[in-house]
Amino acid sequence: DIQMTQSPSSLSASVGDRVTISCRASQSIGRSLHWYQQKPGMAPKLLIYVASSLHRGVPSRFSGSGSGTDFTLTITSLQPEDFATYYCQQSYSTPITFGQGTRLEI
Amino acid sequence: QVQLQESGPGLVKPSETLSLTCSISGGSITNYYWSWIRQPPGKGLEWIGFISNSGGTNHNPALKSRVTISVDTSKSQLSLKLSSVTAADTAVYFCARRGPDYSEYYFDYWGQGTLLTVSS
Repeated sequence: DIQMTQSPSSLSASVGDRVTISCRASQSIGRSLHWYQQKPGMAPKLLIYVASSLHRGVPSRFSGSGSGTDFTLTITSLQPEDFATYYCQQSYSTPITFGQGTRLEI
Repeated sequence: QVQLQESGPGLVKPSETLSLTCSISGGSITNYYWSWIRQPPGKGLEWIGFISNSGGTNHNPALKSRVTISVDTSKSQLSLKLSSVTAADTAVYFCARRGPDYSEYYFDYWGQGTLLTVSS
């Protein structure tokens, strides 16, 4: 199985900040990396697919980059609604696996 | 707008088989792959398996052969059966649709999730 490791596990930030969340794969996965946002009691929402493509309706302050084993989710100018948990997911091979999550807190 | 709605018993006894249903509306069920994903309370996401648009299935080996995923196209429903459950299977169970890019597997639509507790 491909292990996905996110860092940091939690992050404190303020409205207006720029934050970066990292995701590292245990082997090269090309660009088969996707990012989700999850708020308490809700289902995850797709933010970024194939490393850097913005899902429809997602604000442009979200962006993704990377390839191979190292990937980054960047949020510029944090908004109050962005405080949530973020997960990366690889689809290079089955079983599909997720990172452990990064909790973004005020 | 595609909508997914999970339903299930809420509580299952150890060693029994859990059965969950996901009702799909607002879009075609036959043109997409569909997955089940679960999340134990306070923990991360675990992919359970998927069923393809041709009916083929693939599941997480961590669940061994306990998983059965099926689709009833006449009812626009996705189903999950997980046998021999233990407390470790307690989780919120989500159904999700694979995005339209068939070269990649990401989830663009999710149900709201249903909590399943395994307890005697």
